[in-house]
Amino acid sequence: GAVVSQHPSRVICKSGTSVKIECRSLDFQATTMFWYRQFPKQSLMLMATSNEGSKATYEQGVEKDKFLINHASLTLSTLTVTSAHPEDSSFYICSARDPQYGYEQYFGPGTRLTVT
Amino acid sequence: DAKTTQPPSMDCAEGRAANLPCNHSTISGNEYVYWYRQIHSQGPQYIIHGLKNNETNEMASLIITEDRKSSTLILPHATLRDTAVYYCIVRVASNTGKLIFGQGTTLQVKP
Repeated sequence: GAVVSQHPSRVICKSGTSVKIECRSLDFQATTMFWYRQFPKQSLMLMATSNEGSKATYEQGVEKDKFLINHASLTLSTLTVTSAHPEDSSFYICSARDPQYGYEQYFGPGTRLTVT
Repeated sequence: DAKTTQPPSMDCAEGRAANLPCNHSTISGNEYVYWYRQIHSQGPQYIIHGLKNNETNEMASLIITEDRKSSTLILPHATLRDTAVYYCIVRVASNTGKLIFGQGTTLQVKP
């Protein structure tokens, strides 16, 4: 149990376009999901906390108008990178908490975004 | 959440026990110690967590000192597939508890 998927696994887009990344909890319902970003050779940086049916809470320094998060159902959260630029190229990872297993977070496999 | 300190890298021989230390001297009484690992280009994987008692599961053992200011993650028989970055995180267990990742320890298991 506690499987989280992400789609797509890799995406290449042109500068100025928008990209949507999906995060799904496959075998449980997740009221809370988290989005992280990881640059090469660096640690994960929490971007935002996504709660089903309400607005996401963004970490300091993360532009909420650039990184749009929607958590419309208990199994799906989406991250849209709007007007992407090369500096947005990164590894984006989501996680979700399965209430059955307590407070541990289970992570998706990540999405590699390259903006050209 | 309390800050943690881990060595940046460690080596371990395949088949031997890997002991990964973590210092968390400012940990509060209601904060748990969590361990995750990240294999290259994958999402992090939950390993184990504990409050003050030692814990063991199918993956590893967690030894927490009596004063809770440090802990050790033990992989009893390391394999090449255990090569990864290991993160020690302390936080309050709550419904919306955030995980703040430090730099972790890169464990290299060598044949």
